[in-house]
Amino acid sequence: DAGVIQSPRHEVTEMGQEVTLRCKPISGHNSLFWYRQTMMRGLELLIYFNNNVPIDDSGMPEDRFSAKMPNASFSTLKIQPSEPRDSAVYFCASSLVVGANQPQHFGDGTRLSIL
Amino acid sequence: SQELEQSPQSLIVQEGKNLTINCTSSKTLYGLYWYKQKYGEGLIFLMMLQKGGEEKSHEKITAKLDEKKQQSSLHITASQPSHAGIYLCGAAYNYGQNFVFGPGTRLSVLP
Repeated sequence: DAGVIQSPRHEVTEMGQEVTLRCKPISGHNSLFWYRQTMMRGLELLIYFNNNVPIDDSGMPEDRFSAKMPNASFSTLKIQPSEPRDSAVYFCASSLVVGANQPQHFGDGTRLSIL
Repeated sequence: SQELEQSPQSLIVQEGKNLTINCTSSKTLYGLYWYKQKYGEGLIFLMMLQKGGEEKSHEKITAKLDEKKQQSSLHITASQPSHAGIYLCGAAYNYGQNFVFGPGTRLSVLP
């Protein structure tokens, strides 16, 4: 049974470049979450979708960040233009439905370094 | 997250010893989750607690949620090196909203 799949696993790029992170949720899961993890701020929720619709994007740090979910099996998180302070591990998670009685299952993350 | 506190921040124990990690919320939880993370990997779901006073166990790990639903503890019995990692508690404060994580507790188990 495939879990949440993220790509790439590692990304190193220069500041100012566009970065696109990808996520494939677990088949049948209707909710998808994007998180960012840093040493200073821990794990932060950026945005989540329910049935492909963005529900809460209040955690998205700036307009440079955007997320889409064109269908139930794919989501992207874009940063344009990227800055060194965006360096972090970005996780995607999915759950059956959004709600407090449903655990989220995480991918292995994308380690992003902006030079 | 400032809404969830975890203690201790880090813990080093000898193999075979018992240990407890605490997670405290500043307000009543709707649901509480425990995850484990190994370096360079994603979070692995351990357990979910929803009812006040609830207790769940999986292998040698037991988690409890207090009656007021503001504090949870994770207890590991007879720790093993495989238990090493970062333990994070996560919480929902409303149905479907405001999912936050604690800062994590780094556990090392010495063989």
